[in-house]
Amino acid sequence: AQKITQTQPGMFVQEKEAVTLDCTYDTSDPSYGLFWYKQPSSGEMIFLIYQGSYDQQNATEGRYSLNFQKARKSANLVISASQLGDSAMYFCAMRLPSGSARQLTFGSGTQLTVLP
Amino acid sequence: DAGVIQSPRHEVTEMGQEVTLRCKPISGHNSLFWYRQTMMRGLELLIYFNNNVPIDDSGMPEDRFSAKMPNASFSTLKIQPSEPRDSAVYFCASRTYLAGIGADTQYFGPGTRLTVL
Repeated sequence: AQKITQTQPGMFVQEKEAVTLDCTYDTSDPSYGLFWYKQPSSGEMIFLIYQGSYDQQNATEGRYSLNFQKARKSANLVISASQLGDSAMYFCAMRLPSGSARQLTFGSGTQLTVLP
Repeated sequence: DAGVIQSPRHEVTEMGQEVTLRCKPISGHNSLFWYRQTMMRGLELLIYFNNNVPIDDSGMPEDRFSAKMPNASFSTLKIQPSEPRDSAVYFCASRTYLAGIGADTQYFGPGTRLTVL
């Protein structure tokens, strides 16, 4: 069975510094997708970044980058130059191409607090 | 561009009452998902539709829950009768499902915060 693990319930970072949020996954399927979502205190879920299992390069979107280490089955999110508005819950999710399903399995989340 | 629209944003009801949550997916998206989020269980997939057809409802907790998608632009999640343990945030998400395509990212609505007293 597929599983997503986020081992950091909470993280603190100083404004303008970089922070890495950990995510490990477990699947025997060679084809999968990895996603990161941000959930601020207002509650909405905001898509940040995607990495496909066959992608050769790490995904980047502005200040977000995904440190994809396939052999270690890790997909850590790196946020550079943290801003106060980055304070939120961050969820890692995995999608498998099992038939027509392809739904997401979410980790338990990491609460990031950016300190001024 | 309008994102996924959910209504109401907040709902407070009494145990035993019927609750209907509504969702309008992003135009052009052909898959729709209903999730429930609680502190104890995190994000749980309840049901999802491809092209208005329910594909997997194994996440629906019990017969009190039902979901419909009468057309490509509207879905409802109904709880009848509601119970206090149904209190949660309910999210709707949509995506474009294309076989063989990689990302097919799900985009979430703002959620409905349900409180059952």
